[in-house]
Amino acid sequence: DAGVTQSPTHLIKTRGQQVTLRCSPKSGHDTVSWYQQALGQGPQFIFQYYEEEERQRGNFPDRFSGHQFPNYSSELNVNALLLGDSALYLCASSLLTSGVGDTQYFGPGTRLTVL
Amino acid sequence: DAKTTQPPSMDCAEGRAANLPCNHSTISGNEYVYWYRQIHSQGPQYIIHGLKNNETNEMASLIITEDRKSSTLILPHATLRDTAVYYCIVRAISSGSARQLTFGSGTQLTVLP
Repeated sequence: DAGVTQSPTHLIKTRGQQVTLRCSPKSGHDTVSWYQQALGQGPQFIFQYYEEEERQRGNFPDRFSGHQFPNYSSELNVNALLLGDSALYLCASSLLTSGVGDTQYFGPGTRLTVL
Repeated sequence: DAKTTQPPSMDCAEGRAANLPCNHSTISGNEYVYWYRQIHSQGPQYIIHGLKNNETNEMASLIITEDRKSSTLILPHATLRDTAVYYCIVRAISSGSARQLTFGSGTQLTVLP
């Protein structure tokens, strides 16, 4: 158990709706990264938050946005949902200030289905 | 980050050692080799990482060739619970910035009874 928690576990939405996914990092971690994993593929990096700011971003449209709170927890928001947004959304936490070799630990994921 | 190449699938008998290879011929001097695994529909699980020396922990051993162009993850006594997709990832580490993980297709390891 890596200690990263995500909610909800499963979610069903319809096209055009908006969704918010939540992540609590492992105790002591300060950085949260979000990944999208479509069925049968490896996880794809969405973005990363540190000190409440987006630090890096993958190749995802601005319909995907996020936030990090002072307690290091994070939210992923997706607007105007498309069928193609159906995927497992993974949150990973790490300790950036640990120096070289910050290892990312993943949560169990949120399964989003868009109908 | 350097690209990695892994076989799409491997089988291993329960109780035997599982040796999972990974090629990363374009790896740079500041890039580490990370291994994660993902059991069906769960989040990826960190296994081990290394720079150039061989590494061992309670889960596995990581053997990196001297030229660092390839590596092997060794599960010494595979069990049915080790059946998973194993990802080899090369990732640069730089002070002050946490680099994302770039996942490939991985190797589906099936441990057979």
